[in-house]
This record gives sequence, C-alpha cells and structure tokens, in this order.
Amino acid sequence: KAGVTQTPRYLIKTRGQQVTLSCSPISGHRSVSWYQQTPGQGLQFLFEYFSETQRNKGNFPGRFSGRQFSNSRSEMNVSTLELGDSALYLCASSRGTGGLSYEQYFGPGTRLTVT
Amino acid sequence: GDSVTQMEGPVTLSEEAFLTINCTYTATGYPSLFWYVQYPGEGLQLLLKATKADDKGSNKGFEATYRKETTSFHLEKGSVQVSDSAVYFCALSVVGSQGNLIFGKGTKLSVKP
Repeated sequence: KAGVTQTPRYLIKTRGQQVTLSCSPISGHRSVSWYQQTPGQGLQFLFEYFSETQRNKGNFPGRFSGRQFSNSRSEMNVSTLELGDSALYLCASSRGTGGLSYEQYFGPGTRLTVT
Repeated sequence: GDSVTQMEGPVTLSEEAFLTINCTYTATGYPSLFWYVQYPGEGLQLLLKATKADDKGSNKGFEATYRKETTSFHLEKGSVQVSDSAVYFCALSVVGSQGNLIFGKGTKLSVKP
C-alpha cells in the first residue's frame, strides 16, 4: 500500500508570495492533519480535516489555510509569505478521527524556504 | 494546556549501550501516548504507542510504559545499534483531538560503532 505522498518536496519562495502544498493520504484514510516543523518551535499542529471539514485548528494566523477534497487529498495554502514560514511542512493521514486507535502516518514533508 | 516535555539532547551512545529517553506529559484529558522517530531527510514514523495506563508499547526492541501516576512515558532500549541514530519525539493526543498530536521538542540520538 502506498504511503502518504507530499508534493512538491522542496520549494523556494520570496517574501510576500503565496504557496500551495499538496498531500495525498494513504488509500482509505479520510483524515488528514498538517504540521509545521522548525528548529526553534519544533513540531506544531496546523489543522486537521476529515470528510472535507476542518475539525481542529492550531494556533496559526489566518494566512495559513487548508482544504480537503472528496477523494481525501488535501492542500494547504500560505499567503503573504514571511521569512519565519520557512519550515518542513508535514502531512499525516489516518483512517478516521475521534477514536483512540486511529494512528497517524506521516509523509516525507515539503521543505519550504522563504527568501 | 496539554504539553510534552522530553529530555534535551543530543544523546551520544556506543553501540550495544542501554538507552533511556525521558518523557513526561501534562494533559487535561486522558491521553494516548506515542513515540515517533525521524531519520535524516524523512518524515516521522510511529515507533510505538500506548492508549491507557500501565500499557506497554513495544517495537523493534524499544519499549515504553504509560505511567499515569508519574505522568511519564520513558523510551528504553536494551542495546542500541548504529541504525538507531535518529531524532525521537514523544507525543500525546487527547480524546476528541486525535488528529492533533502534541509533540515534545525531540531528542537526537547518535550511536557510535
């Protein structure tokens, strides 16, 4: 079974631009979560989607947004990029949500560099 | 709020040494606990988990026991290998927010031959 895939793997953008990252979950998984990983702040939760609905949201500004499609694929968008948005963005999928047994499986991440 | 605290790294060990990485947590609810591992250039892999008090998670020689009385979930391995070199993250999730994992800062482990 194919794992979680994220595209692109690497991205370089300029301050003020916007960016869209894509995540394809494991087949049959309906929940997708996004995390930001930086050396200073570590791993921080951005948001979770289940059945095209945002279920949880972390403490990030409104410049960070996401969506989920009917095939469970998800995208996240960052508008008006800042230097501090440089990070590894990780996507994770699970079969469901709301139950203790739902494990999250992570993709390899998208490395975003803002110059 | 909910949080995870794990020992600062880096940790450097010789092959076949005993490993302990401490992890303690604070949670308002009744959490599930996890250890994830991240190899260089890769995403996170679930190493083991425990969903209730006194549960012991184990995988690839690693073990951790959910201790509610001490709010701890320490990772142990009896004999580490060079291939265990990676960053280890302790994490928790609470009921109703399983898609929201709260992570510790990570502990980098280097194992020397």
